[in-house]
Amino acid sequence: EADIYQTPRYLVIGTGKKITLECSQTMGHDKMYWYQQDPGMELHLIHYSYGVNSTEKGDLSSESTVSRIRTEHFPLTLESARPSHTSQYLCASSDWGPNQPQHFGDGTRLSIL
Amino acid sequence: AQTVTQSQPEMSVQEAETVTLSCTYDTSESDYYLFWYKQPPSRQMILVIRQEAYKQQNATENRFSVNFQKAAKSFSLKISDSQLGDAAMYFCALYNFNKFYFGSGTKLNVKP
Repeated sequence: EADIYQTPRYLVIGTGKKITLECSQTMGHDKMYWYQQDPGMELHLIHYSYGVNSTEKGDLSSESTVSRIRTEHFPLTLESARPSHTSQYLCASSDWGPNQPQHFGDGTRLSIL
Repeated sequence: AQTVTQSQPEMSVQEAETVTLSCTYDTSESDYYLFWYKQPPSRQMILVIRQEAYKQQNATENRFSVNFQKAAKSFSLKISDSQLGDAAMYFCALYNFNKFYFGSGTKLNVKP
């Protein structure tokens, strides 16, 4: 089992609320990623980071923001949740090197009412 | 642009039989890496097998093997002696330019 943790696993919340999805890894990986995945669909990269104070937007436009103040922590924030944000959010990390696989968290299933 | 295509949304296999999942990709690069990931229901996505594009030899991991055809940009996954625990979504992924590009997945059902 990979040492990468996401909380909460499930979240149902009303429109307009501020949400932070937590992601932590204990493997010392510099590279971390956030993906958005609708049920039974492909993963879309929304944010990634190559290390502390490094954040980049992914291929899928997202209204969320991320921060990377510590190597092990890569939280994702939605300032004002909307029903269109309903999805599963997967966090992943990997070591440097092109053949290094990504280690995934369990995901957060987010439902905005 | 990097794209990964999995043309089989869902497949079924009888326990102990062999099944092959298809994946094609597109990239203009000559140096890249390919992966198959497994996502069981409500569980973590985990790595199944990986292949370096510069290696001609097909990767194998126990019951899992790939058929890598670089010229055809094809990367299929073969699961031998299928087990009930193999039931999951399988994603093909291309690593290039420090990013992973995923296909839409194939749901594998294993019948007892």
